Amino acid sequence: AQSVSQHNHHVILSEAASLELGCNYSYGGTVNLFWYVQYPGQHLQLLLKYFSGDPLVKGIKGFEAEFIKSKFSFNLRKPSVQWSDTAEYFCAVNALNTGFQKLVFGTGTRLLVSP
Amino acid sequence: DTEVTQTPKHLVMGMTNKKSLKCEQHMGHRAMYWYKQKAKKPPELMFVYSYEKLSINESVPSRFSPECPNSSLLNLHLHALQPEDSALYLCASSQGSGSYEQYFGPGTRLTVT
Repeated sequence: AQSVSQHNHHVILSEAASLELGCNYSYGGTVNLFWYVQYPGQHLQLLLKYFSGDPLVKGIKGFEAEFIKSKFSFNLRKPSVQWSDTAEYFCAVNALNTGFQKLVFGTGTRLLVSP
Repeated sequence: DTEVTQTPKHLVMGMTNKKSLKCEQHMGHRAMYWYKQKAKKPPELMFVYSYEKLSINESVPSRFSPECPNSSLLNLHLHALQPEDSALYLCASSQGSGSYEQYFGPGTRLTVT
C-alpha cells in the first residue's frame, strides 16, 4: 500500500525566510502528486499538482515543488514566506494501481510564520 | 464555480440517532469522495463514487452508509455511531476518477455523545 511521509511536523519561520517542506512517498509505479494547504478555519485548497512533464511545477501564491522520481520525493518550496502562509500543508499521492482514485495524505506540516 | 458545499456545518448526535450529511457540487464532476479527518491528523479516505457508482469502500463500518442520488449530490447516512466517530467529515469532488485534482468542501464537524 502506498504511504506518504512528511518529516517536518512543525516549522516556525520568520517572514521573508525561505521554506522547504519535505515529502516522500513509497509507491514505485506511476503516481500523481499534490500539495494541499489548510488555512486556519478554512477548507483544504490545492496549492499545486504534478501529473507528468516538467518535474518543476509552480502553484498558487508563489509556491513551487520539484518531483524527483529517483528519490520518491516531491518537496514544496517558497523563496520568501509571508505571515499569511501560516497554515497546515499536506502532501498527497494517488497511484495508477488504484486508478488514481485513492488519494493518500501525509501527516501534514504545521507552518507558523512570525511577523 | 469551484465550490463544494456541505451541510450541516456542525452536528451533534447521540449514539442511537440517525442523521445524514449532505454534499453538493455543480461543477459537472463525476467523481465524489468522503473523507474523515480527526483532530491534527490528515484526511483519510472512506468512500469513492465514480459516475454515481460506489467504486471504493475503505472497509468503513456499516454504521456509515453512503448514497449518491445523482451526479451532483452525495450523502452520508449515519446510524448508531460511537463517540470515536467524532471527527470532521470532508466531501470532495473531481472531474473524473483518474488524473484530476480533488476539490474539497468545508466539512461537517460531527460530535457523537
